[in-house]
Amino acid sequence: NAGVTQTPKFQVLKTGQSMTLQCAQDMNHEYMSWYRQDPGMGLRLIHYSVGAGITDQGEVPNGYNVSRSTTEDFPLRLLSAAPSQTSVYFCASSPNTYTDTQYFGPGTRLTVL
Amino acid sequence: GENVEQHPSTLSVQEGDSAVIKCTYSDSASNYFPWYKQELGKGPQLIIDIRSNVGEKKDQRIAVTLNKTAKHFSLHITETQPEDSAVYFCAASRGGRSGGFKTIFGAGTRLFVKA
Repeated sequence: NAGVTQTPKFQVLKTGQSMTLQCAQDMNHEYMSWYRQDPGMGLRLIHYSVGAGITDQGEVPNGYNVSRSTTEDFPLRLLSAAPSQTSVYFCASSPNTYTDTQYFGPGTRLTVL
Repeated sequence: GENVEQHPSTLSVQEGDSAVIKCTYSDSASNYFPWYKQELGKGPQLIIDIRSNVGEKKDQRIAVTLNKTAKHFSLHITETQPEDSAVYFCAASRGGRSGGFKTIFGAGTRLFVKA
């Protein structure tokens, strides 16, 4: 199993550009989540999904969109990038509930100029 | 809003000594408390977790204690080794509507183990 994979590893955007961060898992997990990690602030939940076709907002959803058309994939879309979205983004998955072990991807480091 | 406070932000210990990291949460509905280890350039990895119906859990050199009345939980690492050096995060989670959930992370503790 590859586990949780994320692409790209690094990305630089200009203010106002849009892009999609990719996340995929091959463990047949129902739960998938997106977090952002900023210095001194830990991880904050952006959006999550409890199964294909079902998504919900986390703690900091503004400026981001998600969709879950398959069990495997959970892309995160930045609609119009802002410097405040400069961060490291982590995708995670877990089998069935929030109390199952979460497996994190290696992260995407995003810089918005 | 709900938050999780984690202390200390930095901890330096001698190899073989014990390390203790403490977290306090505000949401009394939280019922799941995982701890993660994050090495440089990698994603967090679960090292131990505890549910609200348990007061203590141990896995080899790692233990976690939970005091629900005080809304306080702690990570204990005994016989520390240089490879324990990393950033450690606590988190507090609870279920929500329609299978959803809410997770709040602490700000992290950078642990240095000196050989």
